[in-house]
Amino acid sequence: AQSVTQLDSHVSVSEGTPVLLRCNYSSSYSPSLFWYVQHPNKGLQLLLKYTSAATLVKGINGFEAEFKKSETSFHLTKPSAHMSDAAEYFCVRTDSWGKLQFGAGTQVVVTP
Amino acid sequence: NAGVTQTPKFQVLKTGQSMTLQCAQDMNHNSMYWYRQDPGMGLRLIYYSASEGTTDKGEVPNGYNVSRLNKREFSLRLESAAPSQTSVYFCASSAAGPPYSNQPQHFGDGTRLSIL
Repeated sequence: AQSVTQLDSHVSVSEGTPVLLRCNYSSSYSPSLFWYVQHPNKGLQLLLKYTSAATLVKGINGFEAEFKKSETSFHLTKPSAHMSDAAEYFCVRTDSWGKLQFGAGTQVVVTP
Repeated sequence: NAGVTQTPKFQVLKTGQSMTLQCAQDMNHNSMYWYRQDPGMGLRLIYYSASEGTTDKGEVPNGYNVSRLNKREFSLRLESAAPSQTSVYFCASSAAGPPYSNQPQHFGDGTRLSIL
């Protein structure tokens, strides 16, 4: 069974409109959860992390994510997309030993 | 302000050739990792080193070996390259590794490896 499921492989948004990237996770314990972004031909950059403090987590570049234990979800949002947000986004959780497990990724396209 | 540096950035090999991918970090991190990235599969852990002097297998270790040369450097070796190992390889580091689960990892820019 997949540990992290990103529900959309591709998302297309217009510049200035909201962005929603959906992520569900499976876990029998309280994992740490992360969102990373990967721009073309670059490594992954940490956007934000959840580690059982506040359920609404603010990250860099105006992104935020909400942890919902009852729904086992950790969706990423941004109120207004910018052209520079075009990239691939990965939802990531830790396994029981602390190693990272990655979702398959969501490719975001931003149109003018 | 280099962070995690990987060399080379690109490489083409023939089946059966060997190669070592190099990784160095300047953040004084204890833990280092090697991943491969394939389309539609996210990143998968090949090997990791939770601390200097230790290495452990990840999810997909077959066909690879690693060496934690010192605290800064962690290399990945392909002894006999196969076309199935064509991928983008990423090195990462974190202040602390397993079993400490809340430490973010910092990634290099990757090595794009093609095996013909």
